[in-house]
Amino acid sequence: QSALTQPPSASGSPGQSVTISCTGTNNDVGGYNFVSWYQHHPDKAPKLIIYEVNKRPSGVPSRFSGSKSGNTASLTVSGLQAEDEADYYCTSYTDTHNFDVVFGGGTKLTVL
Amino acid sequence: QVQRQQWGAGVLKPSETLSLTCAVYGGSSSHYFWTWIRQSPGKGLDWIGEINRSGSTNYNPSLKSRVTISLRTSKNEFALKLSSVTAADTAIYYCAAFDKGAYYFEYWGPGTLITVSP
Repeated sequence: QSALTQPPSASGSPGQSVTISCTGTNNDVGGYNFVSWYQHHPDKAPKLIIYEVNKRPSGVPSRFSGSKSGNTASLTVSGLQAEDEADYYCTSYTDTHNFDVVFGGGTKLTVL
Repeated sequence: QVQRQQWGAGVLKPSETLSLTCAVYGGSSSHYFWTWIRQSPGKGLDWIGEINRSGSTNYNPSLKSRVTISLRTSKNEFALKLSSVTAADTAIYYCAAFDKGAYYFEYWGPGTLITVSP
């Protein structure tokens, strides 16, 4: 069982917006602004798309945005495109383990 | 841009030792913690352990008795060894570069599928 809770699936039609949630506790998501998101296409390396809650690495489209409210972080994909269909994982810094991050269980995003 | 490759034997028998290597080259790679992460079939991601450029390591307590992560700085490589494998160790294993300043995995390797089967 993953430390951070994500919905197992999400979907939307091309052009629509979809939001994926990532719920933790005060010891991780709620207590620190170190939430990151990764896009994972099958048989490819996961790719960082959001770090520090809402920052995008160079080259990541502005359609991807992140936010946080309390113990829940969110990834929003606007203007859905077919290539956005992938698994999405969140991670957060945690102060309760002997290692620095905890993971979400992943969300399969389907573009209808 | 940091490039990375990983390799190792893909099929193991129970009780054998898993051995994987990750090569890192290009970019400013010296400030990362080099990490191994795995994903079991149908499950989420699990953190295995990490090593920094000084050779300091940190392991997941659930695997600590079986895991060794080492560094080969002359070749810009770091390695994972997991002893006494069982079917529960069947997974895709990833190496990744972890930025401890902002706590994210900036780069990932392509992943290696390891299957443990009698």
